[in-house]
Amino acid sequence: ETGVTQSPTHLIKTRGQQVTLRCSSQSGHNTVSWYQQALGQGPQFIFQYYREEENGRGNFPPRFSGLQFPNYSSELNVNALELDDSALYLCASSVRGEVPYEQYFGPGTRLTVT
Amino acid sequence: DQQVKQNSPSLSVQEGRISILNCDYTNSMFDYFLWYKKYPAEGPTFLISISSIKDKNEDGRFTVFLNKSAKHLSLHIVPSQPGDSAVYFCAASALYTGTSYDKVIFGPGTSLSVIP
Repeated sequence: ETGVTQSPTHLIKTRGQQVTLRCSSQSGHNTVSWYQQALGQGPQFIFQYYREEENGRGNFPPRFSGLQFPNYSSELNVNALELDDSALYLCASSVRGEVPYEQYFGPGTRLTVT
Repeated sequence: DQQVKQNSPSLSVQEGRISILNCDYTNSMFDYFLWYKKYPAEGPTFLISISSIKDKNEDGRFTVFLNKSAKHLSLHIVPSQPGDSAVYFCAASALYTGTSYDKVIFGPGTSLSVIP
């Protein structure tokens, strides 16, 4: 069974640029959530995708967008990067309706905006 | 507005003793609570969960206690081992009473060090 993978591991971008982060869900999982973890903080919910549609968003502006593909892989896109976007971005996959409800996290992508 | 709070940023415990990590929440809609463990350079790993219909859940050395009236939960690790040294996140969700998505709110984490 393959776990959740994310690419790239690290990324350095300049303010104003755009970035795409990728996530491959665990086999059999139909839901993917994206989180932003700033230094010294817990993961902050960005949004969740189920059946290729966004069905929940945290307190993040529209320049944060995403996609979920039929094979349950996912992308997080961030436009017009700001310095405060520097963080660890985590994706987590899960099975909707399963209890106990568990999310399986990838190792994250470390984004640095200069 | 922090809905899930972990007021101790760090905790040190001797090997073999009990580790108690605390968590408080403010949103009475939360009905499902989870603890995650995170090692450096890895994503968080699910540890144990509890639904609001219970006040205790055990899994080996790990026990989670829930006090709904106080909006407080705690994670007990007995006995503590050096391999337990990690950051522990408390998380909460309105899994049964919330909206259609399984939004999970995380606390800021507590860094546990188990000293050999």
